[in-house]
Amino acid sequence: KQEVTQIPAALSVPEGENLVLNCSFTDSAIYNLQWFRQDPGKGLTSLLLIQSSQREQTSGRLNASLDKSSGRSTLYIAASQPGDSATYLCAVKDFNKFYFGSGTKLNVKP
Amino acid sequence: DTAVSQTPKYLVTQMGNDKSIKCEQNLGHDTMYWYKQDSKKFLKIMFSYNNKELIINETVPNRFSPKSPDKAHLNLHINSLELGDSAVYFCASSRFSGGSYEQYFGPGTRLTVT
Repeated sequence: KQEVTQIPAALSVPEGENLVLNCSFTDSAIYNLQWFRQDPGKGLTSLLLIQSSQREQTSGRLNASLDKSSGRSTLYIAASQPGDSATYLCAVKDFNKFYFGSGTKLNVKP
Repeated sequence: DTAVSQTPKYLVTQMGNDKSIKCEQNLGHDTMYWYKQDSKKFLKIMFSYNNKELIINETVPNRFSPKSPDKAHLNLHINSLELGDSAVYFCASSRFSGGSYEQYFGPGTRLTVT
């Protein structure tokens, strides 16, 4: 059974710092991995999707990498801003369904 | 242009009541889902429909019954509500395109059972 783990559970950084969020999964037989952002009391917003054949995807200050063989993905946020404060979740899609990690709660201090 | 919408946004009700949550997507996706997010923010799949056919039915009490009248709609009916049903329920949809599945979420329905 697929298990998705996100480390750290919470992270607090000063504004302007570059940071990395980690996501690991136990079964490498996946179609794709998706990173989401969730603001308090809101739904999930898709940030980046990486297909299983891809190594990375970029959108603005965000860069997500995927190493399927080792079961790892990282989300790199450059020059963090207070507006980046949210919970970040990763999800992997296998043949059957999506599996979610429990998220990393990010706080960017002004 | 709301992609995935849910109603109601908030639902407060008493134990033993029956309630429904509705979901609609205008993305033309084939697959829709119901997730439950508990107080620790963990998202757990409950049901999934593909073209109106139930394809995922996790270990969920029989009090929960999904219904998909068409590809764009997926409703969730809950009978005899219990305190433990309090959570945020998310609807989502996805489509297979370009070798991958990208999932889109609704804003959630916060259910409080008193």
